[in-house]
Parts: sequence; structure tokens; C-alpha cells
Amino acid sequence: EIVMTQSPATLSVSPGETATLSCRASQSVSSNLAWYQQKPGQGPRLFIYDTSTRASGIPARFNGTGSATEFTLTISSLQSEDFAVYHCQQYDSWPPTFGGGTKVEIQ
Amino acid sequence: EVQLVESGGGLAKPGGSLRLSCVGSGFTFRSAWMTWVRQAPGKGLEWVGRIKSKGDGGTADYAAPVKGRFTISRDDSKNTLYLQMDSLKTEDTAVYYCVRRRSGWFDYWGQGAQVTVSP
Repeated sequence: EIVMTQSPATLSVSPGETATLSCRASQSVSSNLAWYQQKPGQGPRLFIYDTSTRASGIPARFNGTGSATEFTLTISSLQSEDFAVYHCQQYDSWPPTFGGGTKVEIQ
Repeated sequence: EVQLVESGGGLAKPGGSLRLSCVGSGFTFRSAWMTWVRQAPGKGLEWVGRIKSKGDGGTADYAAPVKGRFTISRDDSKNTLYLQMDSLKTEDTAVYYCVRRRSGWFDYWGQGAQVTVSP
């Protein structure tokens, strides 16, 4: 199965700054990659699919890029509600697999 | 509004059984491919298995760690998804999420049900 690796594990950022999260696949997943946000005590929420398409209601400050094995989620002008854990997931190959997550915390 | 609500979690001993239920609302449940995803304490998300809509054959597939021990089923008349977990192991301890699958990604998630397997 495809192994997804996210880095860093924790990212400390000040409100208003930009956060850059990385997700790497052990083999090409084409553009079949999604990002989810998870807050404590809640289920994950879909943020981005097909590498760069924002889900309904997701603000434009969230931008997904990449292809093949290297992907990035950029969060511009971080707001208080953006501090959470972000997971990437590939759906190019069965079974679908997730990265270990990146926690974005307030610096 | 789409809602997925899990129930049935709890404490079980190794070798025991539990059944989780998930009621869906706000969408056409019978047409949806439904999935279970789990998250062990301090770990990432892990896909457990999926069941297709009956219109697409209604078959279920499972991740290797649970194949032969877990069974996914659905009752579309009740808008309900099930996860029967048998021969439980301590490593099955996790929060289990009921999830709607959409073209590969997962667009709606429940709040999760805690399953603890301990002697």
C-alpha cells in the first residue's frame, strides 16, 4: 500500500502568518489527494480534494498544490479557527491511506 | 444538512465482540458508498473498510488488519450502516468514524464512537 508521510509533525505559527504543510507519497498518486482538518473531539472535515479543489464553504486562504508524490497545503493569513490537525489522504490506489497528520498550533 | 451519528461503542475484552451503528440523514443513504475509518490514540487515520451501494453491487472490502474479523453491512430502509467487530484485539482500540465516500475522498464524517479493548 502507498505510505503517506506528512511533515512537520507540529508547526508553530503566529496568527496572520502563513503555514506550509507537506505531504509525500511513497509512489505517485497522480492528483488523487485530499486534505482534512480535524479539531479536538470532532471528526475530520473535508477541506480539499483532487489536490487543489476546495470543498464547499472552505475559504480561499487554503490552497492545495502538487502532483505525483509531493503535495503542499498552504494556509495564508492564519485565523484562530485554523489551528487544528491536518491530514492528507491518497485515493489513487487501494486501499486509501492517510498521512500521520500535522498539528498547526499557535506560536 | 448531512448528518452521520454513530452509536454502540464501549469496552470489550480481547476476543470479544461489539457492533457499531451509524444513522445517516440529509442525503440519499441508499445511493452512498459508506466507509469506516478509525483513529487509535495519538495516531493517524486508518481506513477500515467500505460497503458499496446496493445499486453498485453492495459488496464490502476490508483493510488487512481487520479482514476476517470485522463485517460491514447496511440497512437502507433504516438509513443505517453497521460494523460488526469480532475477535477483538487490544490494537483495535480507537475512535471509529462513519464516513460517506465520494469519488475516492470522504466528504462527510460522523463524530466518532470510542471502542476500547482491554483485559
